Amino acid sequence: GAGVSQSPSNKVTEKGKDVELRCDPISGHTALYWYRQSLGQGLEFLIYFQGNSAPDKSGLPSDRFSAERTGGSVSTLTIQRTQQEDSAVYLCASSQIGGSGNTIYFGEGSWLTVV
Amino acid sequence: AQSVTQPDIHITVSEGASLELRCNYSYGATPYLFWYVQSPGQGLQLLLKYFSGDTLVQGIKGFEAEFKRSQSSFNLRKPSVHWSDAAEYFCAVGETNNDMRFGAGTRLTVKP
Repeated sequence: GAGVSQSPSNKVTEKGKDVELRCDPISGHTALYWYRQSLGQGLEFLIYFQGNSAPDKSGLPSDRFSAERTGGSVSTLTIQRTQQEDSAVYLCASSQIGGSGNTIYFGEGSWLTVV
Repeated sequence: AQSVTQPDIHITVSEGASLELRCNYSYGATPYLFWYVQSPGQGLQLLLKYFSGDTLVQGIKGFEAEFKRSQSSFNLRKPSVHWSDAAEYFCAVGETNNDMRFGAGTRLTVKP
């Protein structure tokens, strides 16, 4: 597609439920990133995929968070047993080649509210 | 530890006035520096980036930023602000894409 596409754009879920957030990166982009943006905060790095390499999961805040990328394209971020502090905007981004300095293109985000 | 500080949470300027948004960083190596803008309901858009060379970088929408190593700063400037510039602005630093650190953002309000 023309840009990074994320779904759902908005999600309200009950505490304790699992949620899945989807990201469709720009076609041909080998690198894919997930960030979290909490109210009034900057962007917090979560996870990074580059080609067939093992993902960099160093930013995932707990084992309730996981992500996968199928076929080197679409990615799904899963949050299990959601908590209220998980409420945030989850941003996906992609770049043509991972590593230093390549421009990252962001999606519009998935707004998650845990009630 | 690397970090990014945007000292101003919210700035209000009049349309046509000049603008400077501050960004300070703490980083061990020579960083890559970025400014992104996030308009309401939209994703982040890259305004400009600095990797090396000329320390004054030109970006889109009439923005520029200057890298000052001695001050560990990368301030964003625009000589004349337009109402459409109202948005949230994020400074980011990093050595690799998956090591990027973002500031908390500065919200810009433009008065008519």
